[in-house]
Amino acid sequence: AQTVTQSQPEMSVQEAETVTLSCTYDTSENNYYLFWYKQPPSRQMILVIRQEAYKQQNATENRFSVNFQKAAKSFSLKISDSQLGDTAMYFCAFMLFTGTASKLTFGTGTRLQVTL
Amino acid sequence: GAVVSQHPSRVICKSGTSVKIECRSLDFQATTMFWYRQFPKQSLMLMATSNEGSKATYEQGVEKDKFLINHASLTLSTLTVTSAHPEDSSFYICSAQRTGGSSPLHFGNGTRLTVT
Repeated sequence: AQTVTQSQPEMSVQEAETVTLSCTYDTSENNYYLFWYKQPPSRQMILVIRQEAYKQQNATENRFSVNFQKAAKSFSLKISDSQLGDTAMYFCAFMLFTGTASKLTFGTGTRLQVTL
Repeated sequence: GAVVSQHPSRVICKSGTSVKIECRSLDFQATTMFWYRQFPKQSLMLMATSNEGSKATYEQGVEKDKFLINHASLTLSTLTVTSAHPEDSSFYICSAQRTGGSSPLHFGNGTRLTVT
């Protein structure tokens, strides 16, 4: 079974600053995907970024980037130039690649507060 | 982009009654959908995997007779909470993935169930 751990229950960052959210996971599999999802107060789950495990290059989406360390089983999210709209719960998630639809295993989440 | 519609967004019911929640993939076919439950300030916990044309697969500890899942078509899965009790009050979220396995999961907007 896979597990996902987010050790930071809450984080705070000032607007325009950079913040890094941590995530570690445990698996014995080799083919998988990792995701960061954002859940604002509306509770809609929004995909922020995803990383295929077979890719060494870290994924980037505008202000969001990841530091994927496969050997260390670490998958942190860096948010640059933080904006007030980034305030939300952030969940790290693991999905095993099976060729068909696979379930997501979520971490416990990090509540990010962006302040003025 | 892919859209998953979940209905209703909010429902209040009396203890002992049953409630049905619908999850539809609007612009793609989904042979598999997933149902999650989220308690306040907690992460998403997978309840069951809904498979079109076959029985759902339930996670350990989830009562299949309590949470009935029907996936009658490639675009619709339903979750029925039978004989609801106050402890069933929660936020229920469905997700779906385009058939193929390499696409990210798309989430519905969730259903807040309150049992009085």
